[in-house]
Amino acid sequence: GAGVSQSPRYKVAKRGQDVALRCDPISGHVSLFWYQQALGQGPEFLTYFQNEAQLDKSGLPSDRFFAERPEGSVSTLKIQRTQQEDSAVYLCASSSRQGTGELFFGEGSRLTVL
Amino acid sequence: KQEVTQIPAALSVPEGENLVLNCSFTDSAIYNLQWFRQDPGKGLTSLLLIQSSQREQTSGRLNASLDKSSGRSTLYIAASQPGDSATYLCAVPSWGKLQFGAGTQVVVTP
Repeated sequence: GAGVSQSPRYKVAKRGQDVALRCDPISGHVSLFWYQQALGQGPEFLTYFQNEAQLDKSGLPSDRFFAERPEGSVSTLKIQRTQQEDSAVYLCASSSRQGTGELFFGEGSRLTVL
Repeated sequence: KQEVTQIPAALSVPEGENLVLNCSFTDSAIYNLQWFRQDPGKGLTSLLLIQSSQREQTSGRLNASLDKSSGRSTLYIAASQPGDSATYLCAVPSWGKLQFGAGTQVVVTP
């Protein structure tokens, strides 16, 4: 596609619900990153995929967070049993290079947990 | 751990003035630095990527400099316009991921 696409753009969940956030990277991009951005802060790294391999998940805040990219293209970030502190914007980025070449970001998915 | 700091956190200037945004990082062993723009409620748009071998990079009214030895980068925006109002973030690679500053929120008043 022309750019990185994320869905849904906005999600409201009740505490305890599970949510799934989708990312469609730029076609052919091998690297895919998920970031979490709290209001007024810079994005914080969550996890990194090179093709279908999850090479780094050190930023995932708890075992309630899970990400996958089974075919090396579309990725899903799943949050189980959501808590209020999970409220944030979740950003997906892709790159044509391995690791941190120039990153292209999607519009983000804003999650609000009530 | 790489720490990235952006000062000031917020900046307001009248239209036409030049903008100077600062970014500092603690570990000078970087191979590039990237500047992004973020509009409210939107994702990040890449503005400039400077490789470690470069001292500056230019795109239109934007110019970014990089001084690795002092751990600093500066983004200059010439002749600011109200449409330049946004948050500007810098980021450096650290252990295979980008480490971001908190950003500088810019308001350009007509």
